[in-house]
Amino acid sequence: AQTVTQSQPEMSVQEAETVTLSCTYDTSESDYYLFWYKQPPSRQMILVIRQEAYKQQNATENRFSVNFQKAAKSFSLKISDSQLGDAAMYFCAPKWGTYKYIFGTGTRLKVLA
Amino acid sequence: GAGVSQSPSNKVTEKGKDVELRCDPISGHTALYWYRQSLGQGLEFLIYFQGNSAPDKSGLPSDRFSAERTGGSVSTLTIQRTQQEDSAVYLCASSNPGPGRTGGAGRELFFGEGSRLTVL
Repeated sequence: AQTVTQSQPEMSVQEAETVTLSCTYDTSESDYYLFWYKQPPSRQMILVIRQEAYKQQNATENRFSVNFQKAAKSFSLKISDSQLGDAAMYFCAPKWGTYKYIFGTGTRLKVLA
Repeated sequence: GAGVSQSPSNKVTEKGKDVELRCDPISGHTALYWYRQSLGQGLEFLIYFQGNSAPDKSGLPSDRFSAERTGGSVSTLTIQRTQQEDSAVYLCASSNPGPGRTGGAGRELFFGEGSRLTVL
């Protein structure tokens, strides 16, 4: 079975500090995509960052970067220089096959001023 | 439209009533998804449309749930004889899986703001 695990229900970080959110998954496929989505209190999910499993280089988008360990089936999200606007639920979402996205249970991130 | 639009934003209904939730995807997006998000939970897949057909409706929890999509655009999720356990936020997402890697399978989902359903 293809599964996704986010083991941290809640995390806190001081403003301007760095935080890492973890995600592990299980699949027998070799080619897939991995996404991190952010859901602020407004409820609308937005894409944070995307990683292609066949690429060894970790994706980076401004203050957001991933640590993709394919052999370990791990896909963590690092947020640098945390800002108050980063407070949200973060969901890890692998995509296998042509259409199936599987979402983790999420990590609630609190940013402390 | 500019984004995925869902209506109603909030719906309160009595147990046993039928409800319809509407999703208007981004123009040109051929793929459309419905997810359910219960309080404090992740997203539970309900159904996937490609065009007007639904090749995967495996996530629909029971035969009280149905969905359709017309004209390759607007989709309606219908819940008949609602139960209290149906209370959740129902999220719609669309995507345009074009050719190639980042333009195809690597395309992200664009979400609406969801419809919060409360069954009393």
